[in-house]
Amino acid sequence: QSVLTQPPSVSAAPGQKVTISCSGSSFNIGNNYVSWYQQLPGTAPKLLIYDNNKRPSGIPDRFFGSKSGTSVTLGITGLQTGDEADYYCGTWDSSLSLWVFGGGTKLTVL
Amino acid sequence: EVQLVESGGGFIKPGGSLRLSCTASGSGFTFSNAWMTWVRQAPGKGLEWVGRIKSKSIGGTTDYAAPVKGRFTISRDDSKNTQYLQMNSLKSEDTALYYCTVHLGEFSLDPWGQGTLVTVSS
Repeated sequence: QSVLTQPPSVSAAPGQKVTISCSGSSFNIGNNYVSWYQQLPGTAPKLLIYDNNKRPSGIPDRFFGSKSGTSVTLGITGLQTGDEADYYCGTWDSSLSLWVFGGGTKLTVL
Repeated sequence: EVQLVESGGGFIKPGGSLRLSCTASGSGFTFSNAWMTWVRQAPGKGLEWVGRIKSKSIGGTTDYAAPVKGRFTISRDDSKNTQYLQMNSLKSEDTALYYCTVHLGEFSLDPWGQGTLVTVSS
């Protein structure tokens, strides 16, 4: 059971928009910045969003993040088949004094 | 660009020990200032944070996830741009791909190595 809760899977058609939620508590999301990671099949995770809504260099603006209270959301617009991957949210939990990840969400582009 | 390369993975029997290494290279990266981290991923499962070591300038302290506390030890050799994960009393549930990564600021992890596979089985 992950400290951060994500839906196991989401799907949408090419060109459409999809959102992935991640919920936590005041000990983690509520009072700390959140980051998102993309893991393409057979590869290592890659930082996609940091500090809730910032994109590292090279990440297209089709990917965006937002935060409200103890939840964060990753959005992807203009879906491409190459976006099919597992997506994880993560942050520090100040109560547990450790890093926590969501359980991951598998994105399928139909 | 920073590159992280893990090594040391392999097949080990339950109760055994293994030491993983992660060496960083690349311009513009000062290893001694970096907070280094280990994350693992069991086959077909999600990401699980293992632990981290802060820079020596702020004490070089370590934090560990509950499942590995007391069995795993993270250390670093800044002269070699390398961090280590000493794993003792290994269990079958420690079987995973172990990734090395860096705390970018306090709330993100970047970049990531390609991982080294540890298989614990009799």
